[in-house]
Amino acid sequence: DSGVTQTPKHLITATGQRVTLRCSPRSGDLSVYWYQQSLDQGLQFLIQYYNGEERAKGNILERFSAQQFPDLHSELNLSSLELGDSALYFCASSVDGGANYGYTFGSGTRLTVV
Amino acid sequence: GESVGLHLPTLSVQEGDNSIINCAYSNSASDYFIWYKQESGKGPQFIIDIRSNMDKRQGQRVTVLLNKTVKHLSLQIAATQPGDSAVYFCAENAGGTSYGKLTFGQGTILTVHP
Repeated sequence: DSGVTQTPKHLITATGQRVTLRCSPRSGDLSVYWYQQSLDQGLQFLIQYYNGEERAKGNILERFSAQQFPDLHSELNLSSLELGDSALYFCASSVDGGANYGYTFGSGTRLTVV
Repeated sequence: GESVGLHLPTLSVQEGDNSIINCAYSNSASDYFIWYKQESGKGPQFIIDIRSNMDKRQGQRVTVLLNKTVKHLSLQIAATQPGDSAVYFCAENAGGTSYGKLTFGQGTILTVHP
């Protein structure tokens, strides 16, 4: 157990729907990161939050949004889902706002859009 | 139908051999590099890191070499074991306004035969 908790582990939904993925960071970590891992794109950075504020943004689609709450957990919202959004979505956390000492990944949420 | 996806490099070794996994990185401004191991069904797991002011760093059974001139990173695993079988990713961070963003390489599949 890495200490980063992601729920749900698996999600199957239809095109056009909206889903919310949840992440609880390791105790004491202030940053949360979201990554998408797909067969054709590999691991892609989506967004980083630090202590409730957006810190860095990758090529995140406008249909996707995220937030970090006062208790530091984070949610990634995916809307108007398309078949191509099927992927593994990983959350990671780190103690500060940088990548120092790497960061710790959760076990991911596997999203299947049908 | 045929699936389209990344064609990851593969490395197949015998148990007890030394393994070398290579990675070319893209951003000359990157100053921090990490190797991750990803086993099936799990999130990436931190192995070792190195900063750009170093050219070599050793851990337990692993060594990372950095050649900034040619933007090349390698991971050496000594006395490879079946439990080392996984996908290995290099990742780079440019610091500054990139904050904690990591850019991942495509990955290398390592298979260790008993």
